[in-house]
Amino acid sequence: AQTVTQSQPEMSVQEAETVTLSCTYDTSENNYYLFWYKQPPSRQMILVIRQEAYKQQNATENRFSVNFQKAAKSFSLKISDSQLGDTAMYFCAFMKRPDSWGKLQFGAGTQVVVTP
Amino acid sequence: SAVISQKPSRDICQRGTSLTIQCQVDSQVTMMFWYRQQPGQSLTLIATANQGSEATYESGFVIDKFPISRPNLTFSTLTVSNMSPEDSSIYLCSVGIEGARIEQYFGPGTRLTVT
Repeated sequence: AQTVTQSQPEMSVQEAETVTLSCTYDTSENNYYLFWYKQPPSRQMILVIRQEAYKQQNATENRFSVNFQKAAKSFSLKISDSQLGDTAMYFCAFMKRPDSWGKLQFGAGTQVVVTP
Repeated sequence: SAVISQKPSRDICQRGTSLTIQCQVDSQVTMMFWYRQQPGQSLTLIATANQGSEATYESGFVIDKFPISRPNLTFSTLTVSNMSPEDSSIYLCSVGIEGARIEQYFGPGTRLTVT
């Protein structure tokens, strides 16, 4: 079974600064996807960024980027130029391919608070 | 992309009763998923709902407690049966779309409180 670990329960960052969230996972699989989701107080789960394990290039989406270290089984999220709207719970998630398609294993989450 | 709606958005129910949660998607999808998020916790997969077949449940979840229907490719229901306070959670519907990239979308969730 896969496990996803987020060791930072809460992170605080000032507006316009950068924050990095850590995520490690444990798997013997070689074919999988990794995701970061954001859950603001509205509780809507919003996909922030995804990474295919077979791609060496780190994924980026505007101010969000990941550092994917496959050998180390690490998948950190960097939020650049933080904005007040980035305040939310952030979840790292793992999906095994292909037989567990659509089934996400989530980490415990990291609460990000952006302060003015 | 996919737009997912859920009904009800929240409910307060008495112990021993049942609640059916509806999930509607604006496009046809093969697989739908139901997740539970207990207070202050992460999300846990309850089951996979396939159209035309029985739902597949994850370890710790059983059909008698969480019966699921999937009558067509855009709709599913999850029933929480014989509720107890421990069932107080947010229940989320999710769909996966596999195109050039995998997209996994979530509904807005149903906040259930059992008294």
